[in-house]
Amino acid sequence: DAKTTQPPSMDCAEGRAANLPCNHSTISGNEYVYWYRQIHSQGPQYIIHGLKNNETNEMASLIITEDRKSSTLILPHATLRDTAVYYCIVRVTTDSWGKLQFGAGTQVVVTP
Amino acid sequence: DTGVSQNPRHKITKRGQNVTFRCDPISEHNRLYWYRQTLGQGPEFLTYFQNEAQLEKSRLLSDRFSAERPKGSFSTLEIQRTEQGDSAMYLCASSIPGQGVRGYTFGSGTRLTVV
Repeated sequence: DAKTTQPPSMDCAEGRAANLPCNHSTISGNEYVYWYRQIHSQGPQYIIHGLKNNETNEMASLIITEDRKSSTLILPHATLRDTAVYYCIVRVTTDSWGKLQFGAGTQVVVTP
Repeated sequence: DTGVSQNPRHKITKRGQNVTFRCDPISEHNRLYWYRQTLGQGPEFLTYFQNEAQLEKSRLLSDRFSAERPKGSFSTLEIQRTEQGDSAMYLCASSIPGQGVRGYTFGSGTRLTVV
């Protein structure tokens, strides 16, 4: 699986959009981009994934560049409960099996 | 469905002692995973089971570590002769093929402190 690069931390004001970047310049054509988040003292939680098209669900939006070398997770209206570490992962399968390879992630702090 | 359950939530032990953690996966999930997470890092894969068979072990899983899933349901992770470097959060996850990525569910972990 390709490696990813994320900024170590970022702050966001409550109610504003949080845009979390991820670089995955060595991504292969059959690798998907996944985002997870980990709230303090909890396990990681799936947020969203995509291959090449932009995706949106009830939690967030995922924008993948045309060359697929980077992506951005967007939390449209950040709340204090969105304070967490966010992980960007690339992997081949969309099925729910296999190990996940996490990096250090981005610590997001949402402030009032 | 109560999710993935891990016990204990916290464990403090003296160096050299043995510790055992338990993970109860979601009942119909046949795959179970163990991860270790140190401060400031993302979770690192340790091992995984499909039913009772241990199919993959990371090089991080030293000889002092042993994991079992005897009846394909709950799993235990034992660390013998603990060292201070074993201090970490130990996470368990479970999944079942066919449910997609949302089916891959983590527990809240067991935090181990070796003093």
